[in-house]
Amino acid sequence: AQSVTQPDIHITVSEGASLELRCNYSYGATPYLFWYVQSPGQGLQLLLKYFSGDTLVQGIKGFEAEFKRSQSSFNLRKPSVHWSDAAEYFCAVGADSGAGSYQLTFGKGTKLSVIP
Amino acid sequence: NAGVMQNPRHLVRRRGQEARLRCSPMKGHSHVYWYRQLPEEGLKFMVYLQKENIIDESGMPKERFSAEFPKEGPSILRIQQVVRGDSAAYFCASSPRRGESLHFGNGTRLTVT
Repeated sequence: AQSVTQPDIHITVSEGASLELRCNYSYGATPYLFWYVQSPGQGLQLLLKYFSGDTLVQGIKGFEAEFKRSQSSFNLRKPSVHWSDAAEYFCAVGADSGAGSYQLTFGKGTKLSVIP
Repeated sequence: NAGVMQNPRHLVRRRGQEARLRCSPMKGHSHVYWYRQLPEEGLKFMVYLQKENIIDESGMPKERFSAEFPKEGPSILRIQQVVRGDSAAYFCASSPRRGESLHFGNGTRLTVT
């Protein structure tokens, strides 16, 4: 079964600083990988996804992520953080789970705080 | 194009009552997923449905919980005889095809008193 680990529960950065959120996954085959963002009281919004091809993926709101197969990682980055980026970020792996099923398995999330 | 619509946004039930959570997927989406979110625990998969069929219910408790996605109308997640431990945020997501990105609704926050 697939799994996702987000090692950092909470990260605080200053506005304008760079950001990297870590994500490691466990899955036997080539995974589909996703990053979602959730603001308080809201649903999840897709930031970006990796299915195949170029390992550096561009997303919305200036985010990017790099798939590194050798490290089983899919870290999310942003060169300059804005106060509006404060939210919780979830990494997910999509994979077949038998009998025609397909599931997204989520990490526990990283909460990002931004200092003015 | 409206997104995934969930209602109600907030639902309060007393122990022993039934809770019904509704989800209307995005237009053109025939695959629906239900997830449960507890604080500090991320989202846990419950059930995956396609029109009129349950594809995978491996994440759903065997008792008291059921889900359906009829040919017409929204998907329904039903929790019978609710207990305090059922208090959580329940999210619905939809996709046009199996393996595509999931689009999430804003969730239903269930509180059991």
